[in-house]
Amino acid sequence: QVQLVQSGAEMKKPGASVKVSCKASGYTFTSHYMHWVRQAPGQGLEWMGLINPSGGATLYSQKFQGRITMTRDTSTSTDYMELSSLRSEDTAVYYCARDNSIVGADGSGWWFDPWGQGTPVTVSS
Amino acid sequence: SSELTQDPVVSVALGQTVRITCQGDSLRSCYASWYQQKPGQAPVLVMYAKTNRPSGIPDRFSGSSSGNTASLTITGAQAEDEADYYCKCRDSSGNNWVFGGGTKVTVL
Repeated sequence: QVQLVQSGAEMKKPGASVKVSCKASGYTFTSHYMHWVRQAPGQGLEWMGLINPSGGATLYSQKFQGRITMTRDTSTSTDYMELSSLRSEDTAVYYCARDNSIVGADGSGWWFDPWGQGTPVTVSS
Repeated sequence: SSELTQDPVVSVALGQTVRITCQGDSLRSCYASWYQQKPGQAPVLVMYAKTNRPSGIPDRFSGSSSGNTASLTITGAQAEDEADYYCKCRDSSGNNWVFGGGTKVTVL
C-alpha cells in the first residue's frame, strides 16, 4: 500500500538547521509531487511548500523563502525538507503528504493523501 | 483572497447531523478537500474534489460546494467522529495551498 515514513523526532538549538526525511513506498515516486505541512502545538495546519520528485523543481511558501530547502533522492524514493535558522516558533510537528490532483470542467482540485506519521521538531536553548 | 474561514467549534448530539463549512474566494474555482485529525495523529483525508469520499471513509461523510462555500456533512455523527476538521484549497495565485483554521467537532 502507499506509505510515507518520516524520520524521527529532533531537538535543535536556536539558529541550527533540521533536515527531515520522508520515504515513499507503494507507488511510482516520480509521479506525484510531495508537500510539506507543519503544525505548531495547539495550532492549525500550515503549508510550507512542495517538490516535484521528477526533476526536483520546488515551490515554497513565501513565509519560508530563504530558510527552506526541499530535495529528493530518486534512488531511495525519499524526499527531504531542511529548515535553517531555527527559532522557537519553528517548534512543530512536520508532515510530508503526497499530492493528488484533478482538473474538472469548472475548476481544479488537489488533495493530500497519504500523510506521513509526522516528525516532531523542538527548538529550544 | 487566500484565506479559508471555518467556524472554530461545532457540537452535535450523537446520531444527529452536523455541517462544517469553509468559506473563501478561491473555492469558486478550487475543489476543496477535507481532513480529519484526531489528537496526536496525522491528518486523514475524508473528502476530496468537493464531493468524493476516499475508500475506507464511512458514507455518513458527504461533501458539497456552492459559490465560495464548501461544506462537509456528517449524517448520524458517531463518537469516533469527534476530531478537528480542516478544509484546504489552492489560493487564487496558484502559488500556495491554504488550510482553513480548523473546526473542532464535539459529539455530545
